Amino acid sequence: AQSVTQLDSQVPVFEEAPVELRCNYSSSVSVYLFWYVQYPNQGLQLLLKYLSGSTLVKSINGFEAEFNKSQTSFHLRKPSVHISDTAEYFCAVTELTRLGGYNKLIFGAGTRLAVHP
Amino acid sequence: NAGVTQTPKFQVLKTGQSMTLQCAQDMNHEYMSWYRQDPGMGLRLIHYSVGAGITDQGEVPNGYNVSRSTTEDFPLRLLSAAPSQTSVYFCASSPQGGEAFFGQGTRLTVV
Repeated sequence: AQSVTQLDSQVPVFEEAPVELRCNYSSSVSVYLFWYVQYPNQGLQLLLKYLSGSTLVKSINGFEAEFNKSQTSFHLRKPSVHISDTAEYFCAVTELTRLGGYNKLIFGAGTRLAVHP
Repeated sequence: NAGVTQTPKFQVLKTGQSMTLQCAQDMNHEYMSWYRQDPGMGLRLIHYSVGAGITDQGEVPNGYNVSRSTTEDFPLRLLSAAPSQTSVYFCASSPQGGEAFFGQGTRLTVV
């Protein structure tokens, strides 16, 4: 079974500094990878996804993640963070269900990003 | 666009009570799922469904029942609430192999 490890439970950073949120998953079989963001008292929103093709994927608000198959990693980066990026970030990987044909999402424990002025 | 709608947003139950958390989606997705979110544990899958009449257990199914009579609705039933079921519950829907769309969550407290 798949598992997802987010290596940092909390990451404090100053505004305009770069940040990296780390994510490793367990299985080397073909997977889809996602980063979701959760703002306080809200549901989860998709930030970016890797399904196939280019291993570097980007979001519209400046985040990017690189799929590294050999290291089974999908780290999230942003070169310059804003106060508004303060949120919890979840890495997720797909796993084929017993019923076949559909992938269920396996989530990491989350990383709380706190951006300070 | 409604997307995924969960009701209620907040609920307090007494130990032993039963209730149903409602989830509806208007995107015609076949795949729907229920997660619970607890501090430091991320989201854990309770039950999922791949279409009307087809459901299966996830990682933490004990104490919960589901059914899927229509494509749109996927209710989650707590049979006899326990304090350990205090959590935030999220419903999600997705097309096959695609991203999941989440509802806003139901914050449940069992006293």
